[in-house]
Amino acid sequence: KNEVEQSPQNLTAQEGEFITINCSYSVGISALHWLQQHPGGGIVSLFMLSSGKKKHGRLIATINIQEKHSSLHITASHPRDSAVYICAVRGRIKDNTDKLIFGTGTRLQVFP
Amino acid sequence: KAGVTQTPRYLIKTRGQQVTLSCSPISGHRSVSWYQQTPGQGLQFLFEYFSETQRNKGNFPGRFSGRQFSNSRSEMNVSTLELGDSALYLCASSLGKTSGRAYNEQFFGPGTRLTVL
Repeated sequence: KNEVEQSPQNLTAQEGEFITINCSYSVGISALHWLQQHPGGGIVSLFMLSSGKKKHGRLIATINIQEKHSSLHITASHPRDSAVYICAVRGRIKDNTDKLIFGTGTRLQVFP
Repeated sequence: KAGVTQTPRYLIKTRGQQVTLSCSPISGHRSVSWYQQTPGQGLQFLFEYFSETQRNKGNFPGRFSGRQFSNSRSEMNVSTLELGDSALYLCASSLGKTSGRAYNEQFFGPGTRLTVL
């Protein structure tokens, strides 16, 4: 079982739809990141959270530390939002290394 | 402020060769981390440097090494390349440990795509 699980793995939506991507983790963390990766590889950091909720434009990220769960919401989705969204947590696992641990990503396609 | 830059962007090598990748962090950032991304394993942590010292190391063989210079620029070296080393190698920079915060947001470079033939 991965320390960071994302769902769904793939998501298609029509332009304008409200989108939610979920992330669950099983380790103690100091921070959680939501990252966006477009074809070609470049990664953009969308949010870094340690508690509560953050909003940036049409993007909202929430985290529930007790439940070890985070969600990324996209309101009024647009084709340019098509990308892979990756959840990553800063924590320690079996080898006790403090590092970023990544989920497998959610591939989002938004159609006009 | 310029972003994180990585050179080269693309590289083709053959098995057994060695390769050095370079990462220049955002000005003022003292921490550089390296990651490997493959279709099979996804994103995995390689190592993290802060003020020329390796702070953390991921679970990779000794063929993977790195260093950081006094200007915070970092290099990553892979010796005796194997086919499985073909990947996108990403570096990310951050302020590192600052007053009141043990950890700060990371900013990623565009990556170096390495192909091993």
